[in-house]
Amino acid sequence: GGIITQTPKFLIGQEGQKLTLKCQQNFNHDTMYWYRQDSGKGLRLIYYSITENDLQKGDLSEGYDASREKKSSFSLTVTSAQKNEMAVFLCASSIFRTNTEVFFGKGTRLTVV
Amino acid sequence: GEQVEQRPPHLSVREGDSAVITCTYTDPNSYYFFWYKQEPGASLQLLMKVFSSTEINEGQGFTVLLNKKDKRLSLNLTAAHPGDSAAYFCAVSGGANYGNEKITFGAGTKLTIKP
Repeated sequence: GGIITQTPKFLIGQEGQKLTLKCQQNFNHDTMYWYRQDSGKGLRLIYYSITENDLQKGDLSEGYDASREKKSSFSLTVTSAQKNEMAVFLCASSIFRTNTEVFFGKGTRLTVV
Repeated sequence: GEQVEQRPPHLSVREGDSAVITCTYTDPNSYYFFWYKQEPGASLQLLMKVFSSTEINEGQGFTVLLNKKDKRLSLNLTAAHPGDSAAYFCAVSGGANYGNEKITFGAGTKLTIKP
């Protein structure tokens, strides 16, 4: 089986700082996603990518950039961290064009001080 | 775009009782439907999936019912046990046939099983 690895597991940043979260998958999946999960709430899609170098905006893309450097990696940048952005960021992947199971990483917990 | 409403946000039932979580969605072209389970401190794991038309899937003590006419998806837990305590999320996508690889999640239901 494959695995999705997110780094770092915990990220503490200062307000206004630019922060980068990384994600690697070895499923050989085409599609990768970044979701934000606020405490006690559901998942909101920030960006997704259906292939290398592709980027699609989700519902919450403002204030974020993303980069799909290669098929196995998808990074997310918080362009200017704000205190109300404290949340868990989940990376996920799935097989393109079948939309079967989405596999999730264990998340990066962001705290902004 | 697709809107998914999940109810209830919190649900507490006694061990051995049944529990029902429901999602309604807005896009009539939605084609793939999923339920995910998230235990405390862990990531999401696929619980069950159902595709197209009215369908019932059963497994692991759960039954999933999809009613496309009413745009409603439900997760029925038949006899709760302590290991079922978790957050549950429905997810809906249009599938590639409709050019929509986006997956929209419900807000989640926190299920607590009391002894």
